[in-house]
Amino acid sequence: SYLLTQPPSVSVAPGKTAAITCEGINVASKSVHWHQQKPGQAPLMVIYYNGDRPSGVPERFSGSNFGNTATLTISRVEAGDEADYFCQVWDSTNDHVVFGGGTKLTVL
Amino acid sequence: QVQLVESGGGVVQSGTSLRISCAASGFTFGSYALHWVRQAPGKGLEWVAVISYDGSSSYYADSVKGRFTVSRDNSKSTLYLQMNSLRPEDTALFYCARDTDATVTNAALDYWGQGTLVTVSS
Repeated sequence: SYLLTQPPSVSVAPGKTAAITCEGINVASKSVHWHQQKPGQAPLMVIYYNGDRPSGVPERFSGSNFGNTATLTISRVEAGDEADYFCQVWDSTNDHVVFGGGTKLTVL
Repeated sequence: QVQLVESGGGVVQSGTSLRISCAASGFTFGSYALHWVRQAPGKGLEWVAVISYDGSSSYYADSVKGRFTVSRDNSKSTLYLQMNSLRPEDTALFYCARDTDATVTNAALDYWGQGTLVTVSS
């Protein structure tokens, strides 16, 4: 089955840029979506179709998807961005949704 | 505004059954595919199942296939998950989530409920 690999943790200082990667074989052939989950809360979609932003999500959040790596980029990181981030695709070969293992973003 | 409210979770014995529900409001329920996603305590997200807008097609994770059944009642704007032969490893917070499409093509999950906790004791 299809596999998405994320780093377990990323740390960044406030005001800097955080990049969270999501690796999968030829992931660029799929649409990647990103979800943010803060402690005790339900997930919230922050990027869909690789780089589109839902209404209400700050422009500081952006996404890209090339080759075997999709990336969620958060610019001018704020303390409130501290959360777990999950990438997600639809695996049409197996008719399954696949989530990455998640990345904990820590704001130093 | 879009709202998804799960209910029906609880503590059950291993091997028994449970049905959980997701009541929707704020959108045309019958126009969207819907998913169930679960999260074991302290773990990541695990997709469980999806059902198309009209209930004509559904897909399941390998871990639940043959034990769980997803269904929907568009007249009641409600999504269901019937869970049979429950195991301790099914213990999780179960979320329902709306797809941006009527059928599953790219599975963009744009709205999530708050979840209902299912605990399976051995």
